[in-house]
Amino acid sequence: KNQVEQSPQSLIILEGKNCTLQCNYTVSPFSNLRWYKQDTGRGPVSLTIMTFSENTKSNGRYTATLDADTKQSSLHITASQLSDSASYICVVTLRGGYNKLIFGAGTRLAVHP
Amino acid sequence: KAGVTQTPRYLIKTRGQQVTLSCSPISGHRSVSWYQQTPGQGLQFLFEYFSETQRNKGNFPGRFSGRQFSNSRSEMNVSTLELGDSALYLCASSLVQEVQETQYFGPGTRLLVL
Repeated sequence: KNQVEQSPQSLIILEGKNCTLQCNYTVSPFSNLRWYKQDTGRGPVSLTIMTFSENTKSNGRYTATLDADTKQSSLHITASQLSDSASYICVVTLRGGYNKLIFGAGTRLAVHP
Repeated sequence: KAGVTQTPRYLIKTRGQQVTLSCSPISGHRSVSWYQQTPGQGLQFLFEYFSETQRNKGNFPGRFSGRQFSNSRSEMNVSTLELGDSALYLCASSLVQEVQETQYFGPGTRLLVL
């Protein structure tokens, strides 16, 4: 069964600290993996998109990694800011089209001063 | 450039009624996708339109339907509403119909069914 599992479910960190969110998937055939940030009451915003051949992709303080062999991805946030408080959603796309998007349940991150 | 807009932002309906939600994509974007987001199920894909044609469909009952107009604006309709249809409905647009393409989400329409 195609699944995307994210951990932890929720996380609290202090402002300025780093953190890493995990995404494990059992999806085949794999096309790409995306990380989204969703602020409360807003739509998701794309952070990174990685294909099978990409290991790392950065977007400012956000760095995503992908290990296609172990089917694991991580999102590392450096020097966290209060504005990083949001849900982070991992999405894996099967080859074949938009109906092949498999969403993770998300990690809710709270950054405290 | 204006982002994806969705109307209305909030909606309250009763069971059995029907509802129509609207989405205006970013100018020039031709692909529009719809998603349902609930606390229990997370984000789930509803359907995707490209150039007025439904190209992909998720696993939702026939009560959920949509369409896209020649200006790429899209509407989603839910008939015979059920309590479980209460959710945030998100629309996303992209330039072309390629899964590599970045999708831009709107703020969503929050639907409450009583």
